[in-house]
Amino acid sequence: DQQVKQNSPSLSVQEGRISILNCDYTNSMFDYFLWYKKYPAEGPTFLISISSIKDKNEDGRFTVFLNKSAKHLSLHIVPSQPGDSAVYFCAASEAGTYKYIFGTGTRLKVLA
Amino acid sequence: GAGVSQSPSNKVTEKGKDVELRCDPISGHTALYWYRQSLGQGLEFLIYFQGNSAPDKSGLPSDRFSAERTGGSVSTLTIQRTQQEDSAVYLCASSLALYQETQYFGPGTRLLVL
Repeated sequence: DQQVKQNSPSLSVQEGRISILNCDYTNSMFDYFLWYKKYPAEGPTFLISISSIKDKNEDGRFTVFLNKSAKHLSLHIVPSQPGDSAVYFCAASEAGTYKYIFGTGTRLKVLA
Repeated sequence: GAGVSQSPSNKVTEKGKDVELRCDPISGHTALYWYRQSLGQGLEFLIYFQGNSAPDKSGLPSDRFSAERTGGSVSTLTIQRTQQEDSAVYLCASSLALYQETQYFGPGTRLLVL
C-alpha cells in the first residue's frame, strides 16, 4: 500500500515557465514533508521541507504548498531552468519518527 | 567536509552468491539509514540505526538481508543467497538524530544479480 504517491512519472516544461510537481499521501499522521532532487548516478539531495503547521514554505525559486484537508502537497519551481532537470521525490514522516516514506518520483525535464 | 560515501559503486554478482555493501556516514551523524530503489520504484526503507539503540529492521524484505553498524560509524548491508529481484540501487543516508532532521544520501551502490 503506497502511502505517498506521485502519480505523474514524468513532466516536461519549457525553460522559464513554472514546473508543478504533485504528491498525495494517505496517512493522516504524517506531519512533516520533504522534497528531494536526484540526478543520475547520484544520491538524492534535500531541496525543501514543510511542517504540517504551515501551508506554504518558500526558498528562492522553490515553493512547497501543503493542503492537509486534501492530503496533497506540491512543489512549484519558477522560473524553471534546464539544470532543474532531475527526478523529484516527495517524502513524509509521522510525528516522533525518523523514518521517511518516499514516493516513486517524478522525472522533470526542462526544455531549453 | 566529506559526504556519505558508499562502496562499491557497482556490483555484478551471480544468483545465490552473498554480497556486502558498505556505507561511510558523515562524521558526527548518529543516525544511519539504508534504502533500496528498484527500477521504476520509489525509495524503499530497509533499516535504521540510531546510536547504540536496537536498529529498526522493519523494512528488511527477507531474512537474507542483514545489516550491522560497527562503532557507531561504518555500516555494512549483507545480502545472502542473492536473487534476481534483489537487483536495485542501494542507498545509504545519515543524519543528526534529531526530530525531522534532513537525511544526507550517498551516491548508492548499483547491484545487478545475474
